[in-house]
Amino acid sequence: AQTVTQSQPEMSVQEAETVTLSCTYDTSESDYYLFWYKQPPSRQMILVIRQEAYKQQNATENRFSVNFQKAAKSFSLKISDSQLGDAAMYFCAYRSAGFGSNFGNEKLTFGTGTRLTIIP
Amino acid sequence: DVKVTQSSRYLVKRTGEKVFLECVQDMDHENMFWYRQDPGLGLRLIYFSYDVKMKEKGDIPEGYSVSREKKERFSLILESASTNQTSMYLCASRPTGLNSGNTIYFGEGSWLTVV
Repeated sequence: AQTVTQSQPEMSVQEAETVTLSCTYDTSESDYYLFWYKQPPSRQMILVIRQEAYKQQNATENRFSVNFQKAAKSFSLKISDSQLGDAAMYFCAYRSAGFGSNFGNEKLTFGTGTRLTIIP
Repeated sequence: DVKVTQSSRYLVKRTGEKVFLECVQDMDHENMFWYRQDPGLGLRLIYFSYDVKMKEKGDIPEGYSVSREKKERFSLILESASTNQTSMYLCASRPTGLNSGNTIYFGEGSWLTVV
């Protein structure tokens, strides 16, 4: 079974600075997807960024980028120019890839989350 | 925008009560999920459904059941609520397809307290 580990329960960063949230995972599969989700206080969980394991290039979405190290099974999230609106719980998640079947590869496995505080 | 709506944001129920948590999505997604979120444990999958009347157990199905009579609606049922089921429950949906790495959409969550 796949596992996802987020070793930082809480992080804080000064506004406008850069912060990196770490995530490691364990899998024997070669094809999969990795995600970072953001859950603001009392608000809906939304997707921040997604990485396909077969792609060597690290995904980037505006101020958010990942450092994907497949051999090391590491998937960290870097937030540049941190803003007050970035304060949230961040979850790393893993999902197996696959074709055709809906059964068995739909499960999204989450880490335990990192609470990010932005210091004004 | 995809909308996943959970009918109740905050509920307080008594031990032994039967509890229904309702979830509706408006994008004709085949797959729907119920997760439970607890501090320090992240999100854990309770049940999922990949089609009408189809369901599969997730990691923690004990004490729960689900119903999917219509494609847009996925209900989580606590047959006899217990205090250890006090938690936040998240519903989600996702389409099927070869491009199956696409995102999953979450509802806002239902906070359930069992007293």
